[in-house]
Order: sequence, then structure tokens, then C-alpha cells
Amino acid sequence: EAGVTQFPSHSVIEKGQTVTLRCDPISGHDNLYWYRRVMGKEIKFLLHFVKESKQDESGMPNNRFLAERTGGTYSTLKVQPAELEDSGVYFCASSPGGWLVEKLFFGSGTQLSVL
Amino acid sequence: AQSVTQLDSQVPVFEEAPVELRCNYSSSVSVYLFWYVQYPNQGLQLLLKYLSGSTLVKSINGFEAEFNKSQTSFHLRKPSVHISDTAEYFCAVNAGGTSYGKLTFGQGTILTVHP
Repeated sequence: EAGVTQFPSHSVIEKGQTVTLRCDPISGHDNLYWYRRVMGKEIKFLLHFVKESKQDESGMPNNRFLAERTGGTYSTLKVQPAELEDSGVYFCASSPGGWLVEKLFFGSGTQLSVL
Repeated sequence: AQSVTQLDSQVPVFEEAPVELRCNYSSSVSVYLFWYVQYPNQGLQLLLKYLSGSTLVKSINGFEAEFNKSQTSFHLRKPSVHISDTAEYFCAVNAGGTSYGKLTFGQGTILTVHP
């Protein structure tokens, strides 16, 4: 069974540019989460999808970030325009459906560097 | 709101020595507790969890953690570490009543096992 896959693994862009991160969850997982770790800090929750609907987006830092989940399958996280403080590792995680989530399956992350 | 403090950012230890990684949390509601581990170039993996029942929980590779409600702690221990345990360890909590996939993480502890 394939795990959670994230593309790209690394991205280096200049301030003001646009970047789109992609996450392919484990097939059949209804729950999809985005987390971010800024260097030296803790991993922070960004948002949660249940199928194609945003269940909780309380962690999204501002309106430069747009997350979508087409047809309840893969998800994209777009940053436009990127700022220096957006640098960090963006993790995607998924879990089967249902309210009780005992375990998250994480991808390896996308390392984003904004110069 | 809840918060998690991992008291040690780095823990160096020799192979076969015991280790304890400390985790304290604060929350105004009941919580569920997790330890995740990230090996180099991989995503986070669930190591163990406390949801209810016995306060001592164990992993398949010899780690254990004990939920101490009075001290609001969930320290991770292993009596004898191996080189392969070298990784970054994250303590995380989820407030009861919210989606269990929305986790609050500590800042991580890098465990380095030396031969």
C-alpha cells in the first residue's frame, strides 16, 4: 500500500513568486491534514479536510494560502505571493474516515525555501 | 487552548544506555497524548498513544510512556537504546472533543545514540 506522497520534496523560490504543493493521501482516507514546521519551531496545524470539504482551517496563517482538495482525493496548497516567513517544511497527513483519529499517516514533507 | 513543552531539544546517549525524553502539556480539558518519531528523510510515524485506560502505554520496539495527569506529563522512556533509535521525537496532544487529527506538537527532541 502506497503511503502519503508529497510533491515536490524541495522547492526554492523567490519572494513574491507562487508555489503549489501537492499531497496524495493514502487511497480511501477521507481525512487530510496540512501541517507546517518553521525552522526551529514546533509543527503547527494548518487545516483539515474531510473528503473535499474544509472541516477546520483555523491554522491557516493568512489569505496568501489557499488549500483545495479536488474530488476528495489529492490536495494542493498554494502560496501566493510567497514571503520569507513562509519558509519551512510543509507536512501532509491522512487518516481513515470518522471522528476518532487514533493515528495520522504523514508524508515526508516539502521543504520550502523563500529567498 | 493547549500547549506542549518538550524539555530537551537534544539528548545524546550511548548505545544500550537508558533514555527519557520529557514532555509536559497544559490543557483546560481532557487530552489524548501521542509520541511520533521522525527518522531521517522520512515522515512522522506514530510511536505510541494514550487515549484512555491504562496510563502506561508501550510500543513494539521497547519504548514506553506514562500518562501522569497530576503532573501533566507524558514522558517517553526506553531502558536500553540502539543506534537505530536515532531520530527526532515529537510529543503531541489533542484536546478531547475536537477532531483527533488536529494535534498540538512540542518542539521536538533529537535523540542521538552513539556507539
